[in-house]
Amino acid sequence: QVQLVESGGRVVQPGGSLRLSCEASGFNFRSYGMHWVRQALGKGPEWLTFIRSDGNEKYYADAVKGRFTVSRDNSRSTVFLQLNRLRTEDTAMYYCTSGVMDVWGNGTAVRVSA
Amino acid sequence: QSALIQPPSVAGSPGQSITISCRGSSSSYNAVSWFQQHPGEAPKLLIYEVTKRPSAVSDRFSGSRSGDTASLAISGLQAEDEAFYYCSLHTGGGTVFGGGTSLTVL
Repeated sequence: QVQLVESGGRVVQPGGSLRLSCEASGFNFRSYGMHWVRQALGKGPEWLTFIRSDGNEKYYADAVKGRFTVSRDNSRSTVFLQLNRLRTEDTAMYYCTSGVMDVWGNGTAVRVSA
Repeated sequence: QSALIQPPSVAGSPGQSITISCRGSSSSYNAVSWFQQHPGEAPKLLIYEVTKRPSAVSDRFSGSRSGDTASLAISGLQAEDEAFYYCSLHTGGGTVFGGGTSLTVL
């Protein structure tokens, strides 16, 4: 069935780095743009970034521009999010979602704490 | 990216209809979406491109827009509709979410 599975979240110290992965199955991944969205506990969703289906166009929210980088490997049906220079306010559940955001993963939790 | 303003909460009784507004969704863009989120779950797409509904979503949910305000209507309220609802606007340079509306089914 159509599925997105995120992984890579963990506890990391401020200033540290993480790489999140999102593996897709059940649909033609290479035909869809992909988003990353995060949600802090008790808050609403916050859009972070979008990468076009061919990987040649990327957009970022101001809050993460210059610190986070999105990429994808269509041969592995996987989209990545590199998180650098992490701050405590980056603590959240991180979701990947496809196209018009009709498919979501279950999320992977990132906690930035000393 | 402009802010999308939603009422913090709405309430209705089973069987009634309610509407949730989302102000700031410029008519320059047709990519307004609505999401439902229950606690502990990922958001679920209800409406995209202002009025379109994924095939698996109940026709009790409908979307519309007038000027810079988009609306989500829910008819025949059911207990399972109690959740948070978020609008979003996709522009050429990114996406912004509204602050969310908590729906209580009385």
